Amino acid sequence: DSGVTQTPKHLITATGQRVTLRCSPRSGDLSVYWYQQSLDQGLQFLIQYYNGEERAKGNILERFSAQQFPDLHSELNLSSLELGDSALYFCASSVPSGIPGELFFGEGSRLTVL
Amino acid sequence: DAKTTQPNSMESNEEEPVHLPCNHSTISGTDYIHWYRQLPSQGPEYVIHGLTSNVNNRMASLAIAEDRKSSTLILHRATLRDAAVYYCILRDNNAGNMLTFGGGTRLMVKP
Repeated sequence: DSGVTQTPKHLITATGQRVTLRCSPRSGDLSVYWYQQSLDQGLQFLIQYYNGEERAKGNILERFSAQQFPDLHSELNLSSLELGDSALYFCASSVPSGIPGELFFGEGSRLTVL
Repeated sequence: DAKTTQPNSMESNEEEPVHLPCNHSTISGTDYIHWYRQLPSQGPEYVIHGLTSNVNNRMASLAIAEDRKSSTLILHRATLRDAAVYYCILRDNNAGNMLTFGGGTRLMVKP
């Protein structure tokens, strides 16, 4: 158990809909990272937040947005869903004083778009 | 970003050592070498990392070539639980903790 909690574990929805994925980082971790893992693209970095502020942006679509709240939990919002958005979405967290590059990943949220 | 090249898959026998290779010929001076693994139905987990010297921890050893253009992750005694996808990642120390995953090596362990 990494200490990172993601909900929901599974989600099935239809094209055009909007969903929100939630992540609670490990206690004390200030950074949250979102990754998307699909069969054809592998693990893709989406976005990073540090203590509520956006820190780095990767291959995140304009239809996707994220935020980190004052209690440090984060939400990833996916809108106007397409079939190709079906994937595993992972959240990870890290602490500034930890091993550089050591991220703690949750178990993921599996999104299926029908 | 500097890229890594790993074999798509490898097989090992249980309780034998496993050497997982990684080529990173375009590595820069500020790049750290990280290894993560992803067990079935789980998120990736940190295994080990290094810069220039060989490293050991409770999970594995990391052997880094003198020119840093390649590295090898060593599992000293593979167990069935070590069956996973192993990712070799270069992390630019100037870019914080952001990790770019490649395709990885799928390790299969035979009993």
